Amino acid sequence: GAVVSQHPSWVICKSGTSVKIECRSLDFQATTMFWYRQFPKQSLMLMATSNEGSKATYEQGVEKDKFLINHASLTLSTLTVTSAHPEDSSFYICSGTEPSYNEQFFGPGTRLTVL
Amino acid sequence: AQSVSQHNHHVILSEAASLELGCNYSYGGTVNLFWYVQYPGQHLQLLLKYFSGDPLVKGIKGFEAEFIKSKFSFNLRKPSVQWSDTAEYFCAGSKTSGTYKYIFGTGTRLKVLA
Repeated sequence: GAVVSQHPSWVICKSGTSVKIECRSLDFQATTMFWYRQFPKQSLMLMATSNEGSKATYEQGVEKDKFLINHASLTLSTLTVTSAHPEDSSFYICSGTEPSYNEQFFGPGTRLTVL
Repeated sequence: AQSVSQHNHHVILSEAASLELGCNYSYGGTVNLFWYVQYPGQHLQLLLKYFSGDPLVKGIKGFEAEFIKSKFSFNLRKPSVQWSDTAEYFCAGSKTSGTYKYIFGTGTRLKVLA
């Protein structure tokens, strides 16, 4: 299957700082990328869908000004958690797909801890 | 509204026992269905997927699932579990066109006792 990478795999930051997480499709052009959040022992919650070159579509209840998503190229999407607080600590997972695929390919996730 | 539900939240089995995890979906029209596994501290791995055709789908690690359209179900099975199958299992569904946005079930935590 197609490969998606994320960087960093884990990050610790101080409250009030911003953190950027990168999601890359390594062997395909991801026209659409998705960002999920997973709390401990819970399922994945879709945060937003982004199409290359367009503004992301956020799910209800997700603050677009807090979780900035950029999908400027067919192989890279970034999620920036702005002014992070301890309640933003979570596991963030991205996935990508392109029109010829019927499925998403998931990255390994980024564990964010906000102190 | 579209939904995917998993009714077994926690399952405990002894090694060599048979496994069946339930997954039900509610979608208008045709659906793609997936089962993922997440081992402790690790990322999602695709076990198997159903797009169309043979409703009995075989996946990796000896898992299989059966798509039963009349029951809106896609249950995951394994005839004999191992201790190493201890993990969280997620069922997911998507439409067969468009953005392939997934809806995940709440997950089933499986613990296999040695």
